[in-house]
Amino acid sequence: QVHLVESGGGLVKPGGSLRLSCAASGFTLRDYYMNWARQAPGKGLEWLSYIDGSGSIKYYADSVKGRFTISTDNAQNSLYLQMNSLRADDTAVYYCARWVTGASGMDVWGQGTTVTVSS
Amino acid sequence: QSALTQPASVSGSPGQSITISCTGTSSDVGGYNSVSWYQQHPGKAPKLMIYDVNSRPSGVSIRFSGSKSGNTASLTISGLQAEDEADYYCSSYTSSSTYVFGTGTKVTVL
Repeated sequence: QVHLVESGGGLVKPGGSLRLSCAASGFTLRDYYMNWARQAPGKGLEWLSYIDGSGSIKYYADSVKGRFTISTDNAQNSLYLQMNSLRADDTAVYYCARWVTGASGMDVWGQGTTVTVSS
Repeated sequence: QSALTQPASVSGSPGQSITISCTGTSSDVGGYNSVSWYQQHPGKAPKLMIYDVNSRPSGVSIRFSGSKSGNTASLTISGLQAEDEADYYCSSYTSSSTYVFGTGTKVTVL
């Protein structure tokens, strides 16, 4: 089965850093575009970033540009999100999601990992 | 990157049809056939229901259909069932090569 499992969430102080991981199974990460999205408590979904299979194409939402970095490790078949300069409004459940090949939509999602930014 | 505009809530009785709108601009919804729709039950991850405006992934009920006119996309749920009660989000590719989600719509089955 195709699966995505996020990890690395937790409690961090404002200004701190955290690295989220997303382990893929049942498919090869290098064959797909991958995304990160988040959902603040009681709020809607927010797209954050995507990366292509080769790791050469990366785009970010304005809200995280310059603070967050997306990357992949094909040997580990894993996706990452390095988050720096964290703020209280970064508190959310973070999801990784696979992009449908050649189409527009995210067809496989992880269960999410919770990040809380608080002093 | 402003969120696409959706109605906060839509409701209907079992068996009825409902339509959820998703309004953007010519720089996102209106400019590309790259609109997708997601269903999210409380505490769960989103599930892809429609991609490329009107295509259904395998396993998604034919009761779900999508369309687009100008800067507004729509999701129609026919034959509304209790299990359809959830939050629904649209998403679109943008002229900045990024993506944007809608504000979300809570569907209530009366």
